[in-house]
Amino acid sequence: QKEVEQNSGPLSVPEGAIASLNCTYSDRVSQSFFWYRQYSGKSPELIMSIYSNGDKEDGRFTAQLNKASQYVSLLIRDSQPSDSATYLCAVNVGNSGYSTLTFGKGTMLLVSP
Amino acid sequence: KAGVTQTPRYLIKTRGQQVTLSCSPISGHRSVSWYQQTPGQGLQFLFEYFSETQRNKGNFPGRFSGRQFSNSRSEMNVSTLELGDSALYLCASSLDRLADYYNEQFFGPGTRLTVL
Repeated sequence: QKEVEQNSGPLSVPEGAIASLNCTYSDRVSQSFFWYRQYSGKSPELIMSIYSNGDKEDGRFTAQLNKASQYVSLLIRDSQPSDSATYLCAVNVGNSGYSTLTFGKGTMLLVSP
Repeated sequence: KAGVTQTPRYLIKTRGQQVTLSCSPISGHRSVSWYQQTPGQGLQFLFEYFSETQRNKGNFPGRFSGRQFSNSRSEMNVSTLELGDSALYLCASSLDRLADYYNEQFFGPGTRLTVL
């Protein structure tokens, strides 16, 4: 059973702070990892992907991966009220070009002005 | 480049009816995946198509089916609708390059299905 676990939140942070979102996964074969942002009533939007241990930075977003601990996180620096959304962690287990995504249930982030 | 499109955006049906949803992937994307999203269960994988073939299937009953056409457009069908089928149905497309482990998936806006 492939599982992806996230704290449902809400995670509340003040504007300008760092928001830290965490995700654990159960399948050790997992190869690539994604963070999606979903605003209420909208579809998920891909914001980060990572497949190697370590950090990957893109603007205010940093994804961190630790395969030994089966843990992936997303840091949002200088959080803005517009970052308030549900953040979904997704894990891709496949190889050779095809696979499915298993999603966590998401963490709701609330950024207060 | 245009994103993933889905039609219709909203649908209201009654129990026992059947429904067909359509998805057009991003140009050049060959893989199309379908997901069901509900408040209680979150995002759950339905099936994935590549080159008109179903390659992966999630744990859903046989009432849920799909297909992919030669132009990569995909449809999914739900027969004998039940109240519990009310959900947001999302389609996602990806490049599916064999040498690329990312296979980033990009979602369409979804079809909101309400079963009465």
